[in-house]
Amino acid sequence: EDQVTQSPEALRLQEGESSSLNCSYTVSGLRGLFWYRQDPGKGPEFLFTLYSAGEEKEKERLKATLTKKESFLHITAPKPEDSATYLCAAESNFGNEKLTFGTGTRLTIIP
Amino acid sequence: DTGVSQDPRHKITKRGQNVTFRCDPISEHNRLYWYRQTLGQGPEFLTYFQNEAQLEKSRLLSDRFSAERPKGSFSTLEIQRTEQGDSAMYLCASSPPLGRDGYTFGSGTRLTVV
Repeated sequence: EDQVTQSPEALRLQEGESSSLNCSYTVSGLRGLFWYRQDPGKGPEFLFTLYSAGEEKEKERLKATLTKKESFLHITAPKPEDSATYLCAAESNFGNEKLTFGTGTRLTIIP
Repeated sequence: DTGVSQDPRHKITKRGQNVTFRCDPISEHNRLYWYRQTLGQGPEFLTYFQNEAQLEKSRLLSDRFSAERPKGSFSTLEIQRTEQGDSAMYLCASSPPLGRDGYTFGSGTRLTVV
């Protein structure tokens, strides 16, 4: 069965303090690894898709990387508006487009 | 295009009642998904449509749950004889043909069963 594990569960950072979120996955044939941002009471908002080990994608202060077993979301010099829950999800080649999500990392940036 | 719309945003119902939720996907998107999310958890897959065909259903989708997408446009998710354990956020998402850059989610319907 496909599994996605995210760590830490929660992270508090000072504004400007860079850090990384981890996503470990066990999937039968990874088709894609997705990162989403979710604000309270809202649906997840798409950030990145990574398809193969070694791939990296960037968007503003966020950079996502992928290895054969895990993905990292690096946050550089975060601002308070980056506070949200960050969700990782994996899609298997055999899952008929089903995403398996982790439980997320709740990120709080303190001004 | 206003994105994926879900209605209602909130629903409070008594245990044993039936409820129905609606999802209007982005107009060019032929793929539509339903997920359920409880507090502190990630979304869990429920079902997937390509056009009007329901191609995948999770084991989580008991016989009290039914989803339809009659003309390949909007979709409905019905829960019969609601139970307190059905309380959750029900999320709808859509994606275009051959889309690989993630789904677009709606804002969800928050169901509370009392």
